[in-house]
Amino acid sequence: KNEVEQSPQNLTAQEGEFITINCSYSVGISALHWLQQHPGGGIVSLFMLSSGKKKHGRLIATINIQEKHSSLHITASHPRDSAVYICAVSNFGNEKLTFGTGTRLTIIP
Amino acid sequence: KAGVTQTPRYLIKTRGQQVTLSCSPISGHRSVSWYQQTPGQGLQFLFEYFSETQRNKGNFPGRFSGRQFSNSRSEMNVSTLELGDSALYLCASTPGTYSYEQYFGPGTRLTVT
Repeated sequence: KNEVEQSPQNLTAQEGEFITINCSYSVGISALHWLQQHPGGGIVSLFMLSSGKKKHGRLIATINIQEKHSSLHITASHPRDSAVYICAVSNFGNEKLTFGTGTRLTIIP
Repeated sequence: KAGVTQTPRYLIKTRGQQVTLSCSPISGHRSVSWYQQTPGQGLQFLFEYFSETQRNKGNFPGRFSGRQFSNSRSEMNVSTLELGDSALYLCASTPGTYSYEQYFGPGTRLTVT
């Protein structure tokens, strides 16, 4: 069993829909990261959180430490949100990231 | 501030050769981590350098090595290349104290033929 599991693997939605991507982890962590990767490879860090909820524009990330679960939500989705979204965790005293397998999101106009 | 830069962006090598990739972190960042991304294995941690010292290492063979210079620039080297080393190699930098958001470079796409 992988330390970090994401679901779904692929998600196709219509423009404007509310999107949820889930991430579960099995180890103790110091922080959970949500990353975005566009075609071409570049990775952008969207959120780093260790508790509660963070919001940036149309993106919201939540984490439940007790349940070892995090969700990434996108409100009013847009075709430019099409990308691979990757969940990753880091452990105490360690910069090493352990990654989920990613969720490929496609938003259709 | 300029972002993380990686050179070269694309590289084609032959089996058995060696390759050196370079990463320049954001100014002031002292930690550089390296990752390998392949379609089969996804993203995997290679190693992390902080103040010229390897601080963490992933589960890769000794053919993969790295170093960091006093200006925080880092290089990684792969010797005796294998076909399976074809991948996107990404580096990321942070200020260096733990659990900071990581800033990724654009990556070097290595193809081994």
